[in-house]
Amino acid sequence: ETGVTQTPRHLVMGMTNKKSLKCEQHLGHNAMYWYKQSAKKPLELMFVYSLEERVENNSVPSRFSPECPNSSHLFLHLHTLQPEDSALYLCASSQYGRADEKLFFGSGTQLSVL
Amino acid sequence: DQQVKQNSPSLSVQEGRISILNCDYTNSMFDYFLWYKKYPAEGPTFLISISSIKDKNEDGRFTVFLNKSAKHLSLHIVPSQPGDSAVYFCAASAGNMLTFGGGTRLMVKP
Repeated sequence: ETGVTQTPRHLVMGMTNKKSLKCEQHLGHNAMYWYKQSAKKPLELMFVYSLEERVENNSVPSRFSPECPNSSHLFLHLHTLQPEDSALYLCASSQYGRADEKLFFGSGTQLSVL
Repeated sequence: DQQVKQNSPSLSVQEGRISILNCDYTNSMFDYFLWYKKYPAEGPTFLISISSIKDKNEDGRFTVFLNKSAKHLSLHIVPSQPGDSAVYFCAASAGNMLTFGGGTRLMVKP
């Protein structure tokens, strides 16, 4: 399998649930990202990991907790979310983690918080 | 305030004609620009990019133009094909910051 794979594709959760989003990249890249796309809003960067170390946290609430166990895997742990957190969550990777590099995105997880 | 804006949320074009998608930015420090295309139920895919030292970059049917004085870039698709129907995002980078626009939905009618 090639590219960036995200699971699950769809997730419905209650505000008291705990769930995790998973991302795996098969491109040998050194950097991985979580982006959020809300309806009618631009893509928002949430977290950046380069060589498994977090280098950017764009003031994301603590109810979102990322984990990067190795350069190929990235998780986003979710707990006590709010309905306004419903959005498409996209994982991406790039070779070196530079902002001028092209990003390779997964298909996303469409999250609904009830 | 949004630093990268795509003011047209949607655009409809006839097959075979030219599609022009526009993007405006406010930060003069942006020095690299990228366009991504997104189909429904898929992640965005990279399309074409341009450095601020250039004013044009071409790749097949896709050409990106950069007007630094106007802080404006545009993506031209010619000829447009029904398979080009998608949402197009522009993005701009400065240092370690990448900022996306809100996207324009292109519909190419047969």
